[in-house]
Amino acid sequence: EAGVAQSPRYKIIEKRQSVAFWCNPISGHATLYWYQQILGQGPKLLIQFQNNGVVDDSQLPKDRFSAERLKGVDSTLKIQPAKLEDSAVYLCASSLDGRYSNQPQHFGDGTRLSIL
Amino acid sequence: SQKIEQNSEALNIQEGKTATLTCNYTNYSPAYLQWYRQDPGRGPVFLLLIRENEKEKRKERLKVTFDTTLKQSLFHITASQPADSATYLCALGAWGGAGSYQLTFGKGTKLSVIP
Repeated sequence: EAGVAQSPRYKIIEKRQSVAFWCNPISGHATLYWYQQILGQGPKLLIQFQNNGVVDDSQLPKDRFSAERLKGVDSTLKIQPAKLEDSAVYLCASSLDGRYSNQPQHFGDGTRLSIL
Repeated sequence: SQKIEQNSEALNIQEGKTATLTCNYTNYSPAYLQWYRQDPGRGPVFLLLIRENEKEKRKERLKVTFDTTLKQSLFHITASQPADSATYLCALGAWGGAGSYQLTFGKGTKLSVIP
């Protein structure tokens, strides 16, 4: 089975610019997650979708971050405007159905964002 | 506040020995716990899941224990090999209150297996 696809792999922008990341989850997976991983830290959940609805976005800085999952498949995460502290790896993950506790999450390889 | 601690940032062991990684947590009541492996420049890869009512889980050379009284999980790799060198992440799963489960990750332990 094909894994979680993310693009781009790397992105360098200046502060106050905008950037968007794209994720294609594993086919048939209802739950999609976006995580932020700062160097030396574990992934931190930003937003979770169940099909095309938002389940939890409590840790998403909504003044600058937005995300959508159209048609319950692909998803995009946007940052506008970017700040220096947004430099991190942005990971997308999916699971068959996050409503059940026996679900492993499958991660993409992430987008490494550097803010100058 | 909720806290997840993995015993050390880095662990070096000799090839063939058993590596033991520790995950401790406070102010948390997880329904389950997962362990992931992460290689440099890659996303985490799922290894094992253990539920709160299970004491031990095994998969090939991997073994996980879960003690909800001690609030601790131990992750063992027996007969370790240089290919086991990676960062290992502990993740606690709990009901998110919005219709789904969520994971909270520790910082990880970087394991180096020396030939």
